[in-house]
Amino acid sequence: SQKIEQNSEALNIQEGKTATLTCNYTNYSPAYLQWYRQDPGRGPVFLLLIRENEKEKRKERLKVTFDTTLKQSLFHITASQPADSATYLCALVLMEYGNKLVFGAGTILRVKS
Amino acid sequence: GAGVSQSPSNKVTEKGKDVELRCDPISGHTALYWYRQSLGQGLEFLIYFQGNSAPDKSGLPSDRFSAERTGGSVSTLTIQRTQQEDSAVYLCASSPGLAGGGDTQYFGPGTRLTVL
Repeated sequence: SQKIEQNSEALNIQEGKTATLTCNYTNYSPAYLQWYRQDPGRGPVFLLLIRENEKEKRKERLKVTFDTTLKQSLFHITASQPADSATYLCALVLMEYGNKLVFGAGTILRVKS
Repeated sequence: GAGVSQSPSNKVTEKGKDVELRCDPISGHTALYWYRQSLGQGLEFLIYFQGNSAPDKSGLPSDRFSAERTGGSVSTLTIQRTQQEDSAVYLCASSPGLAGGGDTQYFGPGTRLTVL
């Protein structure tokens, strides 16, 4: 069956450290993968997109990797801050279905000062 | 311009009643999506509109759920004969409808539906 799995437990880290969130998928072949941030009571906000032929993508303190062999994406936040505390969702882009997004359940990140 | 807006922000209804949820997408966005998010869960795809194409209704959980998009803009999600398991946050998103996988979605704040 098709699955997208993100860390089910919350990730608690100390301010200044690097947070690493994992997204694993099975029985999908996405050409693209996106990461979103969701704060309580709000809709998700787009952060980064990475293509299947890109190994790594960076944006300020954010870095995303995409390994289509392992079927895994890693999302890193360097020099983390309490304001980075939120739920982070990965989403696979299924172009064969008109760019439909399939979301993981998300990982809660808590950065403590 | 303004982002995606949804109304109402909260809706409490009794089991068996019908509800309508509204989404105003970003002007010019050709694609519109509805998702459902239960507490602590990921986003569950419901329906997808793209331009004048037939909508992708593959995510609608039952025939009690339907959606329309009038004039390629505003969309209404209707749930008939609501059940308690319909309680969730209903999120709407729109996107420019770009070809390829680089089309990113812009989400509204959601409507929290509570069925008593």
